[in-house]
Amino acid sequence: VQLVQSGAELKKTGESLRISCGGYGYAFFGYWIGWVRQTPGKGLEWMGIIYPDNSETTYSPSFLGQVTLSADKSVSTAYLHWSSLRASDSAIYYCARFGGRSRTDNWFDSWGQGTQVTVSS
Amino acid sequence: QSALTQPPSASGSPGQSVTISCTGTSSDVGAYNSVSWYQQHPDKAPRLIIYEVHKRPSGIPDRFSGSKSGNTASLTVSGLQAEDEADYYCSSYAGSYTYVFGTQTKVTVL
Repeated sequence: VQLVQSGAELKKTGESLRISCGGYGYAFFGYWIGWVRQTPGKGLEWMGIIYPDNSETTYSPSFLGQVTLSADKSVSTAYLHWSSLRASDSAIYYCARFGGRSRTDNWFDSWGQGTQVTVSS
Repeated sequence: QSALTQPPSASGSPGQSVTISCTGTSSDVGAYNSVSWYQQHPDKAPRLIIYEVHKRPSGIPDRFSGSKSGNTASLTVSGLQAEDEADYYCSSYAGSYTYVFGTQTKVTVL
């Protein structure tokens, strides 16, 4: 199992951005993929999850409306999208796979390498 | 949803044990046997070391153990080794298909 994320991004406030997470070595469509934000001041934050087979999503209340999760199972890739970036979105973003098939009582058993997003004015 | 509460730091000498607590509420840690723990070395991605409160993924040494009592989960690292120096995070299912992480605990091997 391997998750490979897109490279670092340097953007300006108000710009849009989409970062990606490709899954390899397993049936990508059948496992939930989550996104996690890491900032120096706030540690790890659970953002949301998506099921690639039908693109069903669940968002953390803290991130609902702030980002959009999507997936394209034909290319085994999940995406995290911002329509209008803010400086506070500067962070490392990780994708990770749920180890079990359920949306409940689960855990992240494989992680991507992380994508650094820097937003400046 | 508030982050689960972990101590900011913990330390021990090689060979000793260190225990990290993870305190939540009756809506997350106390409600579900769905606590996991992650280890993160500097500039690396987190790594799963404990899931479902006490289970270890393959490849994780049995020096790592987990438990839960009420609203508090704990991770114990026995026989501390230099390579155990890292940041540790707990996580719990919080209902409504959402999850929450704990605050960072930095473990130092003296």
